[in-house]
Amino acid sequence: QKEVEQDPGPLSVPEGAIVSLNCTYSNSAFQYFMWYRQYSRKGPELLMYTYSSGNKEDGRFTAQVDKSSKYISLFIRDSQPSDSATYLCAMIFNTNAGKSTFGDGTTLTVKP
Amino acid sequence: DAGITQSPRYKITETGRQVTLMCHQTWSHSYMFWYRQDLGHGLRLIYYSAAADITDKGEVPDGYVVSRSKTENFPLTLESATRSQTSVYFCASSESRLPPREFFGPGTRLTVL
Repeated sequence: QKEVEQDPGPLSVPEGAIVSLNCTYSNSAFQYFMWYRQYSRKGPELLMYTYSSGNKEDGRFTAQVDKSSKYISLFIRDSQPSDSATYLCAMIFNTNAGKSTFGDGTTLTVKP
Repeated sequence: DAGITQSPRYKITETGRQVTLMCHQTWSHSYMFWYRQDLGHGLRLIYYSAAADITDKGEVPDGYVVSRSKTENFPLTLESATRSQTSVYFCASSESRLPPREFFGPGTRLTVL
């Protein structure tokens, strides 16, 4: 079993929809939870990260961490066609020797 | 140009050949990373480096060699390429390990025939 499991998708939604992207994990020692966006044939870019449990908001994006359930989510409000990309969750321990563990990604298409 | 660059962007080679993928960053970031991305496996860490002359294995290091004599460069060498090493390779860098703020390069698409 993988340490990080991500909803596989693909996901297709109409413009303006609220999108929910989700990951589960098995290692309770993970402390930082990240979301990356990757456009086709490009490198991933960090959208946001959260430390431990709770919510973090950045514009139309909200990251949510529930450590008791080992479940994280990324919500996109008022989705736009420019949000069409693959979204990767990743996690890391709270140590400078930590190595990021990534989910496999969910491909999102937002249709105009 | 400022940022992180990778070369070549595309490479086709044959089984058994040695291949070196280059990575260069202009930020003087301490940390650099090599990942591979395959369908169905997401990103997997091959090697990383905390500073010049300091490297450590990641999740899938077998068949790869790295060096880091200068802070800005982190080449990845496939000593004897195999078909299973066909993948997209991403280099990344960050100023510190935590909080996580990795910047990724554009990737090298490698095909081993």
